[in-house]
Amino acid sequence: DAGVTQSPTHLIKTRGQQVTLRCSPISGHKSVSWYQQVLGQGPQFIFQYYEKEERGRGNFPDRFSARQFPNYSSELNVNALLLGDSALYLCASSVGQNHNSPLHFGNGTRLTVT
Amino acid sequence: GIQVEQSPPDLILQEGANSTLRCNFSDSVNNLQWFHQNPWGQLINLFYIPSGTKQNGRLSATTVATERYSLLYISSSQTTDSGVYFCAVEGSYNTDKLIFGTGTRLQVFP
Repeated sequence: DAGVTQSPTHLIKTRGQQVTLRCSPISGHKSVSWYQQVLGQGPQFIFQYYEKEERGRGNFPDRFSARQFPNYSSELNVNALLLGDSALYLCASSVGQNHNSPLHFGNGTRLTVT
Repeated sequence: GIQVEQSPPDLILQEGANSTLRCNFSDSVNNLQWFHQNPWGQLINLFYIPSGTKQNGRLSATTVATERYSLLYISSSQTTDSGVYFCAVEGSYNTDKLIFGTGTRLQVFP
């Protein structure tokens, strides 16, 4: 079975632009979470979606938004990009809503903002 | 919010050595997971271990939730074990996210 897939793998954007990152969960997983990982730190929680509804939001500005589609895939959008948004963006999926099952991560999208 | 501290921050080993990584958390948790991030950035789930002990090959983990810590044991280390090890917890009072620890960077040399 395929794992969590993310696209694109790398992305270079200019300050002020907008970006959309995509994620497909493991088959049968209904929960998708997004994390941001800056160099040298652990991942930081951005959003969790379960059954197409937002179930959790981290301490990120409103420039960050996300949605989950009927097939449980998800998109993360970031508007008005700042240099500080440069990071590895990780998508993870799990079976249930709460983290009472293993979380599986994709390989991430490395975003560079210049 | 809940704080998650890992120790040691850095660890250098020769192939074949054993090691113990520690994860301390500041409040009660519903569950805890260990991850390995390889040098290419891929984050792999090692254990889902809210309590008790589990083993998977050369790796084992123990969580003592009442004392707010978890341990990851790596035996007979190999160069492919290199990378950063993270523990992540779901707090009992904030269940929408996993909070990652500070990480332990492991380097294994032949």
